[in-house]
Amino acid sequence: QKEVEQDPGPLSVPEGAIVSLNCTYSNSAFQYFMWYRQYSRKGPELLMYTYSSGNKEDGRFTAQVDKSSKYISLFIRDSQPSDSATYLCAMGGTPRGGGNKLTFGTGTQLKVEL
Amino acid sequence: DGGITQSPKYLFRKEGQNVTLSCEQNLNHDAMYWYRQDPGQGLRLIYYSQIVNDFQKGDIAEGYSVSREKKESFPLTVTSAQKNPTAFYLCASSHPGLVYEQYFGPGTRLTVT
Repeated sequence: QKEVEQDPGPLSVPEGAIVSLNCTYSNSAFQYFMWYRQYSRKGPELLMYTYSSGNKEDGRFTAQVDKSSKYISLFIRDSQPSDSATYLCAMGGTPRGGGNKLTFGTGTQLKVEL
Repeated sequence: DGGITQSPKYLFRKEGQNVTLSCEQNLNHDAMYWYRQDPGQGLRLIYYSQIVNDFQKGDIAEGYSVSREKKESFPLTVTSAQKNPTAFYLCASSHPGLVYEQYFGPGTRLTVT
């Protein structure tokens, strides 16, 4: 079993839809939870990060972490064709606890259609 | 502009040859990382370095080597011992205490035939 599980998709939605992307994990030591966006043949770019449980909002994007369920989500409101990309979740422990590396999900491919 | 550069973008090699991938950053980050990305596998950590002249193996270090002689540079050598070297290679950097905030380069696609 992988430490981080992510549905690879592809996920296809109409423009303007609310998109929900999710990851589950098994390692209780994870404290930091990140979402990266990766366009085709490019390097990933950090969208958001959250420490421990809770919600974080940034424009059209909302990240949620439920540590009790070991489940994280990224919501995209009013999705646009420019949101079409692969979304990677990533997780890590605290630096003091040896969390000096990240574990990535496999990525979910999203396509927002006109 | 600050950022990470990787060169070349595409690289082709014959089986049995060593090849070195370049990674340079001008973000003044102490920590640098090398990942490999394969379809359906996500990013897997090859090596990372938190400071000059020091580096640690990641999850899939076999068949790879690195050096960290300068803060700005972290080259990766894919040796002939790497059984499946064809992949997309990504370099990243961060401040040492901010491992969750990694900045990635554009990647190098290596094809070995």
